[in-house]
Amino acid sequence: GDSVTQMEGPVTLSEEAFLTINCTYTATGYPSLFWYVQYPGEGLQLLLKATKADDKGSNKGFEATYRKETTSFHLEKGSVQVSDSAVYFCALSASGYALNFGKGTSLLVTP
Amino acid sequence: EAGVVQSPRYKIIEKKQPVAFWCNPISGHNTLYWYLQNLGQGPELLIRYENEEAVDDSQLPKDRFSAERLKGVDSTLKIQPAELGDSAVYLCASSLGSASGETQYFGPGTRLLVL
Repeated sequence: GDSVTQMEGPVTLSEEAFLTINCTYTATGYPSLFWYVQYPGEGLQLLLKATKADDKGSNKGFEATYRKETTSFHLEKGSVQVSDSAVYFCALSASGYALNFGKGTSLLVTP
Repeated sequence: EAGVVQSPRYKIIEKKQPVAFWCNPISGHNTLYWYLQNLGQGPELLIRYENEEAVDDSQLPKDRFSAERLKGVDSTLKIQPAELGDSAVYLCASSLGSASGETQYFGPGTRLLVL
């Protein structure tokens, strides 16, 4: 069945460092791909998404490109801030189905 | 625009007791989801509604879990009787439809602790 694999955390970075969180997927057909973020004490929020191959999703300085050839959707940010500390979830969705999430990657950014 | 509302936010019960969670989706959203999130894991689907019809409940443990979505708006998820292993966060989400790229909007969740 469909599945998402993302890098294990926790990831600890200093402020202004470059961030990459790897995400790969297995799916039949052509799913849509998402990154959701969960800040401490809050619910899941959509960070960005891409609905077809080669699409780039972006929001708040974060970017991810839908790579069909490598079945990947890696999340990147050029300069992280303390306020980016959260848990990040990669997910996929095929039409008519619910989101299929990875296990989440915890990010801690230190001043 | 109001987001997805869930209540209660926290619930502590003893095992074998019943418990119910309530969800009010974003106005106009036809599709409603209940997810279960265990500690350190991503959410997993329990049930999906299209309007008032449950179209995917294959992951719902039907011996103890039940759900309803009356009039295609609010939804209630019930556990009876609760077991220790049911301790988790129960998330409700809604979306306009169920197309592949449709964004799902999540509520804050109900954190359940079964003692």
